[in-house]
Amino acid sequence: EVLLVESGGGLVKPGGSLRLSCAASGFTFNRHSMNWVRQAPGKGLEWVSSISSSSTYIFYADSVKGRFTISRDNAKNSLYLQMNSLRAEDTAVYYCASDSSSYFDFWGQGTLVTVSS
Amino acid sequence: DIQMTQSPSSLSASVGDRVTITCRASQSISSSLNWYQQKPGKAPKLLIFATSSLHSGVPSRFSGSGSGTDFTLTITSLQPEDFATYYCQQSYSTLTWTFGQGTKVEV
Repeated sequence: EVLLVESGGGLVKPGGSLRLSCAASGFTFNRHSMNWVRQAPGKGLEWVSSISSSSTYIFYADSVKGRFTISRDNAKNSLYLQMNSLRAEDTAVYYCASDSSSYFDFWGQGTLVTVSS
Repeated sequence: DIQMTQSPSSLSASVGDRVTITCRASQSISSSLNWYQQKPGKAPKLLIFATSSLHSGVPSRFSGSGSGTDFTLTITSLQPEDFATYYCQQSYSTLTWTFGQGTKVEV
């Protein structure tokens, strides 16, 4: 069974930092690109960042470019998202999702990030 | 970036109804269109990929069609468990994945 479990969310002040983690199991992690997708309260889905299987290719949405850093550790079957200079508009549930080249086939349950003073 | 526009934003339906949701891309995306279902408080789930291919375990009452810029998700006989929000996603440009704004199917 494929399992993606996010952690690391919480309450942080504007300008602060947070590091999200996603632990993967049940599939060959090092063969899949991975993604972070977020959903602000009551809003739709917004793709945040992607990383290829060997970390060669990394992409970001314009809204987070320069502030967020995606990374992975294939030895630990883990995906990360370092979030710096957080803003109120970054408040959202953050999901990690596995990528089968052209679709997101499995998703974690999400972790809530709240940016507020 | 490729923009995705869904219509309607919400719709009311009853069990047994045929439901159709449309998704329009701002430029041609060939058949690179996926559909997801999301229930309140839950993660999205993949329903259909590449316009019309059903993901494993998805009931056959779900179907997808279209090409180029215009796509459709159809539920032939709405079941109680189908009340949810549906999102389209383009996979033509995977440098920046984009989703539609969602369509809420409610009673």
